[in-house]
Amino acid sequence: GENVEQHPSTLSVQEGDSAVIKCTYSDSASNYFPWYKQELGKRPQLIIDIRSNVGEKKDQRIAVTLNKTAKHFSLHITETQPEDSAVYFCAASRSNTGKLIFGQGTTLQVKP
Amino acid sequence: DADVTQTPRNRITKTGKRIMLECSQTKGHDRMYWYRQDPGLGLRLIYYSFDVKDINKGEISDGYSVSRQAQAKFSLSLESAIPNQTALYFCATSPIAGPYNEQFFGPGTRLTVL
Repeated sequence: GENVEQHPSTLSVQEGDSAVIKCTYSDSASNYFPWYKQELGKRPQLIIDIRSNVGEKKDQRIAVTLNKTAKHFSLHITETQPEDSAVYFCAASRSNTGKLIFGQGTTLQVKP
Repeated sequence: DADVTQTPRNRITKTGKRIMLECSQTKGHDRMYWYRQDPGLGLRLIYYSFDVKDINKGEISDGYSVSRQAQAKFSLSLESAIPNQTALYFCATSPIAGPYNEQFFGPGTRLTVL
C-alpha cells in the first residue's frame, strides 16, 4: 500500500545551523506534499507544502524540495532557532483522494 | 475564530469499556478525519468522511467505529477498549474546494486504557 518513510527520527543541531529532514514516498501518483510542525503538547500545523509541478518552494527560513523521479522530498530549515524545536511530519497525497499519508515524524532539537 | 475542538481532552478508562471521542468544527469544512498518534509511528488514519452520508475506513480501522452526526460533528468510538489503543487521538478537517487541501487539526485527546 501507500507508504511514506521519514528520516531521521531524531535530529539535534546547534542554534544557527541548518537542519534537513528527508522523506520518500511509494505512490508515484502522489502530487501534494505538505509538512506539519507539532510543538510539544500542541496540534500539528501546516508550515509549508509543495505540489508536484514545482521542484522547490521557499518561505523565509524554510524550504522544501521535491524530486519526483526519485520520489524524494525534503524540508530544509536554515539559521535554526530554539523555537524550531518540535516534531516535524511529512505527508504525501493524491489530490483526488483527500487523504494524507504521513511519515513517522522527526523530533528536532535546536540547542542554544 | 473558526476552530476544530475535541472532547474530552484527556480520558483514562479500563479494558472492555466503551468510549466515545467527539469532534466538532466551526470551519464549515466538509471533510473530517480521525487519526491516532503513537511515538515513532507518526499519524495514522483511522476513519474519514467527506460528507454526512460518506464514511470510509483508513489504514487502522479495526476496533474503532465512527458516526458523522452532522457536517460539523464526527465521533470516534471504541466499542471495547484495549490497552494498545492507548494513544493521542486527533480529529482533522479539510475543505472540499480545490485539489490541494490543508488539513486543520483539533487539539487532541489523550486516551489511556488500563
